[in-house]
Amino acid sequence: GEDVEQSLFLSVREGDSSVINCTYTDSSSTYLYWYKQEPGAGLQLLTYIFSNMDMKQDQRLTVLLNKKDKHLSLRIADTQTGDSAIYFCAETGGFKTIFGAGTRLFVKA
Amino acid sequence: DVKVTQSSRYLVKRTGEKVFLECVQDMDHENMFWYRQDPGLGLRLIYFSYDVKMKEKGDIPEGYSVSREKKERFSLILESASTNQTSMYLCASSLRGVAYEQYFGPGTRLTVT
Repeated sequence: GEDVEQSLFLSVREGDSSVINCTYTDSSSTYLYWYKQEPGAGLQLLTYIFSNMDMKQDQRLTVLLNKKDKHLSLRIADTQTGDSAIYFCAETGGFKTIFGAGTRLFVKA
Repeated sequence: DVKVTQSSRYLVKRTGEKVFLECVQDMDHENMFWYRQDPGLGLRLIYFSYDVKMKEKGDIPEGYSVSREKKERFSLILESASTNQTSMYLCASSLRGVAYEQYFGPGTRLTVT
């Protein structure tokens, strides 16, 4: 079945760039998402990319998609302590959205 | 401001009890979802509903049932709670159609003792 994998932890220093990686298996995925979950809260959509795009930039966020390798990444420039959260990669190509396990980002001051 | 609310943030129940988790959305969304979130496993879909009185099983429906009598409300029912159902439960809603953003509630942390 479809699967989305991502590493569980990432630690960076404040001001550095963070790169969170994700791989997926469903080649028919049409939309890929990054959701953010802050402590004690539900998930909130951060950004998304259509499968016919290679890159999307939105302020400090850059999403890169390598469709051939089924690899998605989220780069956060100038990472701040407020970016500490769990980041979920997700994909959909059919009726369901498949979520990864989430990457917990720790930002050290 | 769009909103998905869940009836409780924290709940403690005993093994064998019947448990109701309620979710309400105010966005007139057609789709509603129940997920459970466990460390290292991410979000797993329990059930979803694409219309009133309609429901579809997700990946892990065993031990759960759902009810959607009104468009804005989607209930998750644990008929006989067990300790392996201790988890964080997240409700979400979206417009009809596969690509639309899902809006999540804050979650209910359920502990079954």
